[in-house]
Amino acid sequence: GQQVMQIPQYQHVQEGEDFTTYCNSSTTLSNIQWYKQRPGGHPVFLIQLVKSGEVKKQKRLTFQFGEAKKNSSLHITATETSDVGTYLCAGASGSARQLTFGSGTQLTVLP
Amino acid sequence: KAGVTQTPRYLIKTRGQQVTLSCSPISGHRSVSWYQQTPGQGLQFLFEYFSETQRNKGNFPGRFSGRQFSNSRSEMNVSTLELGDSALYLCASRVLDEQYFGPGTRLTVT
Repeated sequence: GQQVMQIPQYQHVQEGEDFTTYCNSSTTLSNIQWYKQRPGGHPVFLIQLVKSGEVKKQKRLTFQFGEAKKNSSLHITATETSDVGTYLCAGASGSARQLTFGSGTQLTVLP
Repeated sequence: KAGVTQTPRYLIKTRGQQVTLSCSPISGHRSVSWYQQTPGQGLQFLFEYFSETQRNKGNFPGRFSGRQFSNSRSEMNVSTLELGDSALYLCASRVLDEQYFGPGTRLTVT
């Protein structure tokens, strides 16, 4: 079955430093979504990427979808303490609407 | 609009018992998906319902079942609980491809 791997599992950064998490799928994806889950909270939808090579920005967050549609990344510029949480990617293949989630990257921002 | 609501928020059950969890989607959303989240396995898809029909199913044993009512509210049931069923159970309602998660039900099996 489809597998979605996410690295790193944990990341500690000083406030103001940049952060990147990577997501890799064993199969070609039709789309990829990113979610943020705060400690003790539930996943919150951030964005969806559909096109090969697509890049989308949300303020300090930049999302990329690979040319082969098998990998994606989320980059945060100049992290803030409010960025703390687990960032999850989720991919769908073919016409299936079922999402396969990565294991997430837990981000800690040290003040 | 009110968000996705789930009841109960916390539940403690004994091995062998059964449990029913409830989810009310955002008004107007007809798709409801259920997920199990554990520290070891992460977020795993259980099933999706749309207009009272199961549309997709994940790789979980038959002890896990669900249903959806005509008002789009959904329930999931786990029979013959095992210790390994301890988890956060999340439901999400969907519009197009955006999923909105509820706060989850924390189930502890002792």
